[in-house]
Amino acid sequence: GAVVSQHPSWVICKSGTSVKIECRSLDFQATTMFWYRQFPKQSLMLMATSNEGSKATYEQGVEKDKFLINHASLTLSTLTVTSAHPEDSSFYICSARVAREGQPQHFGDGTRLSIL
Amino acid sequence: GENVEQHPSTLSVQEGDSAVIKCTYSDSASNYFPWYKQELGKRPQLIIDIRSNVGEKKDQRIAVTLNKTAKHFSLHITETQPEDSAVYFCAASIRRTDMRFGAGTRLTVKP
Repeated sequence: GAVVSQHPSWVICKSGTSVKIECRSLDFQATTMFWYRQFPKQSLMLMATSNEGSKATYEQGVEKDKFLINHASLTLSTLTVTSAHPEDSSFYICSARVAREGQPQHFGDGTRLSIL
Repeated sequence: GENVEQHPSTLSVQEGDSAVIKCTYSDSASNYFPWYKQELGKRPQLIIDIRSNVGEKKDQRIAVTLNKTAKHFSLHITETQPEDSAVYFCAASIRRTDMRFGAGTRLTVKP
């Protein structure tokens, strides 16, 4: 159980393109989803917390107009990197959690984004 | 907010030896401490977790200890195998809020 599906797994696109990444909880309802960015050989950096039916909470330093997050249902959250540039190239990974105290986060497989 | 520190950043052990990774946290209200294993290019996988009402938890070759007073917790891997080689992350969570991750430890088990 607790499977999180993330698509696409790999994206290569030109500078200026907007890219949408989907995160789905397949067998549970996730009231909260999280979006992380991970640079090579570094830790997971929390970008934002996505709550179903409300606006996402962004971490300090993360541009909310650059990284649009939508959590329209209990099983789907999307991250859109708008007008992507080479510096946005990274590994983006989502996680989802059931809203009960002390529950672990379950991660998607991640999306490797390369902006040319 | 919560701050999690993890040591060491890299750890190399001989197959069969034990490996210990340590983390400290800053917020005494944190009550949930998971450990994740991430292999290269893959998702972090939960390997063990502990809640603040427990001091130790063991699952086969993996154990986690928690010292609430000192605000630190540790991952112990015994009889290490080459397939244990990966990056390990600790994390701390307060109730229903988000988790804060440590910087990670790259474990290499030499055959």
